[in-house]
Amino acid sequence: GESVGLHLPTLSVQEGDNSIINCAYSNSASDYFIWYKQESGKGPQFIIDIRSNMDKRQGQRVTVLLNKTVKHLSLQIAATQPGDSAVYFCAEAYPMIKAAGNKLTFGGGTRVLVKP
Amino acid sequence: DAGVIQSPRHEVTEMGQEVTLRCKPISGHDYLFWYRQTMMRGLELLIYFNNNVPIDDSGMPEDRFSAKMPNASFSTLKIQPSEPRDSAVYFCASSLWGGFTGELFFGEGSRLTVL
Repeated sequence: GESVGLHLPTLSVQEGDNSIINCAYSNSASDYFIWYKQESGKGPQFIIDIRSNMDKRQGQRVTVLLNKTVKHLSLQIAATQPGDSAVYFCAEAYPMIKAAGNKLTFGGGTRVLVKP
Repeated sequence: DAGVIQSPRHEVTEMGQEVTLRCKPISGHDYLFWYRQTMMRGLELLIYFNNNVPIDDSGMPEDRFSAKMPNASFSTLKIQPSEPRDSAVYFCASSLWGGFTGELFFGEGSRLTVL
């Protein structure tokens, strides 16, 4: 099965190099941001999140950076591996109130291809 | 622990036919979401439920689409009558409110092709 398909921006990365995936979000009121990874034929999978009171958060081999001034989010993957080949989506949510639940707006996605 | 389970994985039908997609969320999760994914529009939220109650259905494209959640372990998305433009991958996701995280757990999707 496919995710979005042929019209995604694509990032080709050599195995072992670092990857940087960028995302511009639309709503200045968004206060919570998430990165998801989608492998072919599967549903999106949560990678890492960040709240608007932070500008950086690190996970295992991944770092998310948030620049609220220019409404920009990035995901850095260290030492990219073949298993990192996938489509990556950023998502934004606002406001952080319980009644709204986890209503996320997803970006268009970036395809990452890891070359051996 | 089983994840979100969707069925069918693939459905091919003819225009005008009724389509029913099914979802079993992760046990204990109190939110359930239906998303649609296409090349042109990406991932779109159609509707979501909290404790089996529909909270926001503003993403449902038109009256041909309906969704139900009769109990905490089952939801359906129905399209009647189906049209070729409904062809997409439909995802169900569930989550648990806990101080608000964005971690939605997605199923593997139902790929719908309407001829």
